[in-house]
Amino acid sequence: AQSVTQLGSHVSVSEGALVLLRCNYSSSVPPYLFWYVQYPNQGLQLLLKYTTGATLVKGINGFEAEFKKSETSFHLTKPSAHMSDAAEYFCAVDNAGNMLTFGGGTRLMVKP
Amino acid sequence: EAGVAQSPRYKIIEKRQSVAFWCNPISGHATLYWYQQILGQGPKLLIQFQNNGVVDDSQLPKDRFSAERLKGVDSTLKIQPAKLEDSAVYLCASSLYKGPGGEAFFGQGTRLTVV
Repeated sequence: AQSVTQLGSHVSVSEGALVLLRCNYSSSVPPYLFWYVQYPNQGLQLLLKYTTGATLVKGINGFEAEFKKSETSFHLTKPSAHMSDAAEYFCAVDNAGNMLTFGGGTRLMVKP
Repeated sequence: EAGVAQSPRYKIIEKRQSVAFWCNPISGHATLYWYQQILGQGPKLLIQFQNNGVVDDSQLPKDRFSAERLKGVDSTLKIQPAKLEDSAVYLCASSLYKGPGGEAFFGQGTRLTVV
């Protein structure tokens, strides 16, 4: 069975500071990994995904994530936080035929 | 391109009543999903359709939940009778690809409150 653990249900950063949201997964086969963002009262929007190839993946809005197989991690980063980045972020894994298993989510707060 | 449409956006019902949600996926997307998102948690897959066939419904509480996708396009999710613990946001998503790794596009969801 696959599972996703997001460390830290809430993360607070200052505007302009580094954003680091942690995600660890368990999977019996090479996984496909995703980060989604959810703004209040909205559905989920794909930020980026890792399928195969380059382990450093760049996404929208300046976010990127690195797949580290040895650490079973797929942490999300952004060099400089913006107020508009405040939202809930979900890491997800897909290794069972196009079905996503989500982590519990991390709420990112950005302080002025 | 139009996104995934869901209705209603909000619904309040009393326990033991029934409720239905509707989803219209992106045109041409063969795969459709229903997720349940309880407040403070990540979405949990309830059911996956490929065209009008069920691929996986292992996490669907079949004693009270049912879903159908007639003609392989629109889908409805029904709860009968509802319980307090069914209060959640119900998200519909669709995907173009059959295999893993394809992007799922999500609707805005239906927020259900059971009182």
